[in-house]
Amino acid sequence: GDSVTQMEGPVTLSEEAFLTINCTYTATGYPSLFWYVQYPGEGLQLLLKATKADDKGSNKGFEATYRKETTSFHLEKGSVQVSDSAVYFCALSDLRSGGYQKVTFGTGTKLQVIP
Amino acid sequence: KAGVTQTPRYLIKTRGQQVTLSCSPISGHRSVSWYQQTPGQGLQFLFEYFSETQRNKGNFPGRFSGRQFSNSRSEMNVSTLELGDSALYLCASSLDRGQGLDEQYFGPGTRLTVT
Repeated sequence: GDSVTQMEGPVTLSEEAFLTINCTYTATGYPSLFWYVQYPGEGLQLLLKATKADDKGSNKGFEATYRKETTSFHLEKGSVQVSDSAVYFCALSDLRSGGYQKVTFGTGTKLQVIP
Repeated sequence: KAGVTQTPRYLIKTRGQQVTLSCSPISGHRSVSWYQQTPGQGLQFLFEYFSETQRNKGNFPGRFSGRQFSNSRSEMNVSTLELGDSALYLCASSLDRGQGLDEQYFGPGTRLTVT
């Protein structure tokens, strides 16, 4: 079945440091890939997505490139801020034979940015 | 457009009781999914409904059930509550146009505490 593996957290960085959160996946089909972010006390919200190989999703300074050859979708940001402190979830959406999408989430990576 | 709403936001119940949680999806979204989030187990998929039919089910006991109404609003029910059911229950809606490309939109969650 489909699965998503994220790097273990928590990740602690100083403000303005470079961020990478690794995400790899296994899927039977050709999935779409997503990064969601969850701020304390809130639900998840979409950060960025990519729907086919070599697509780059970007939003709020975050980027991730869909790499089919390495089955990866690593999240990066050049300079993190304290306000980026949150839990980040990698997810994939795969189309099932019944014509509907099934979503699989990673375990989440907590990021803490210190001033 | 209004986002996904969940009611109630907080709930305290006693072991053995039952509880019903409600979710109103974004207008036009026909797919509604439910997740349980706990510190120990992370984000776990409960079930997904589309046009009043359950299409997908996670690995939870039969005490967890759900339904979807013709207006796409959804409810989930947990009977005979156990202490381990204490969690944040998240609802997510999606357009799900049948191509596996659509992101999920999450509500703020219902925080259930079982004492």
